[in-house]
Formats: sequence, structure tokens, C-alpha cells
Amino acid sequence: NAGVTQTPKFQVLKTGQSMTLQCAQDMNHNSMYWYRQDPGMGLRLIYYSASEGTTDKGEVPNGYNVSRLNKREFSLRLESAAPSQTSVYFCASSVHRTSVFYEQYFGPGTRLTVT
Amino acid sequence: GNSVTQMEGPVTLSEEAFLTINCTYTATGYPSLFWYVQYPGEGLQLLLKATKADDKGSNKGFEATYRKETTSFHLEKGSVQVSDSAVYFCALSSMDSNYQLIWGAGTKLIIKP
Repeated sequence: NAGVTQTPKFQVLKTGQSMTLQCAQDMNHNSMYWYRQDPGMGLRLIYYSASEGTTDKGEVPNGYNVSRLNKREFSLRLESAAPSQTSVYFCASSVHRTSVFYEQYFGPGTRLTVT
Repeated sequence: GNSVTQMEGPVTLSEEAFLTINCTYTATGYPSLFWYVQYPGEGLQLLLKATKADDKGSNKGFEATYRKETTSFHLEKGSVQVSDSAVYFCALSSMDSNYQLIWGAGTKLIIKP
């Protein structure tokens, strides 16, 4: 049982390059999330997927796209990277119910630098 | 809207000292409250939670009590260890936020031997 896995762990991009961050979970969770973490700002939600087949914007979606490939996998794409997207990116998953909150489980993160 | 405010860090303590990290929140209704911990180089993991007023969450010697009258959820530990050095995040979830987590900025804790 690996939990939430993310690839790659580290990435350096030049401005304008594109890349996809991969995330997979093996806990049969319905909901998945992408966050970015910047110093002194906590975590900010980029996109989330409440269930397979649905995606919704979070607090900071500009410059990103997502795909919920199946129940296990949720990818984040940067089409044209900018230095402002230098950050640590975390994927998380949870069981989701409309009236009760379940904890989110986090992956180890991807440290992205855009030069 | 909903928000979470944590005390700024870093907080530096000696081993075996008493720890308090303050967390206050703004929310309508009855949110659930959480403390997550992030050890160096790792993702976040749930430390403890409380889902209704006066509940006390506890784990690994840490405690926090959901105080609705003061809208607070302060994290405490009686005797910290070097291994407790990490970043601690307070968060809330409510129906108003569509059950998404609203995060505080995090408090870095440094424990010196």
C-alpha cells in the first residue's frame, strides 16, 4: 500500500516549457487535490476532483490544467511555465462525502523550479 | 469568508519545554478543525482533529481543544523533543467551503537539544 505517489520529485524548467506532474493513489479514494506550497503562504488549492469524471478550480488555477484520468490518477499540467510557478506541488486524496469530512492524505511533493 | 490565522514562526524551544502554537479561525456554522504536520522533506500528515465544539483531539502527546467561544484551536504539548521539529499547519473544513480545507500559513517549530 503506497498511499499517494508523485512523480517526478524534482524538476527544473525553462520559461515557456511545458510539463505534467503525475499523481496516483491506491486507497480507492473518490477525491483528489493539487496544492502548491510557497514560503509563508501555507498551501493553496490549485484544482480538485471531487469524483472521477469531475474537476473544479481552486484558489489559484491560472496557468494550470488537470486531468482525472481514472479513479486512481490525477495529473497537473503546466502548458507554458513561468518563474512565478516555482513552488513545491503536493497531491492529496480523500474519501469525500457531502456532510462529513475525511482527512486528506498527501504525497511527498514535487519541487519545481522555473528559470 | 472562512480563514485561519496561526502564530508566526519560527518558534524555537529547548527540549522538554512546553509548547503552544496558537490558531484562531473565522467561519460560519460549525467547522471541523485540524492540525497537520510536515516533517522536513516530506508531505503533510494529519496530526489530530476535532469535529465539534469542546472536542479535544490528541495524538503523539499533542493536544488541541475546539473552543467555539474564542474561535480557537491551539496546539499544545507538555514536553517537546528534537524529533518534533517540523512545520505545523492549522486548517478548517466546513459546509461553506464545500468541505475543502482552508489552511493557515504554517508555523515552523525548531527544538534544540
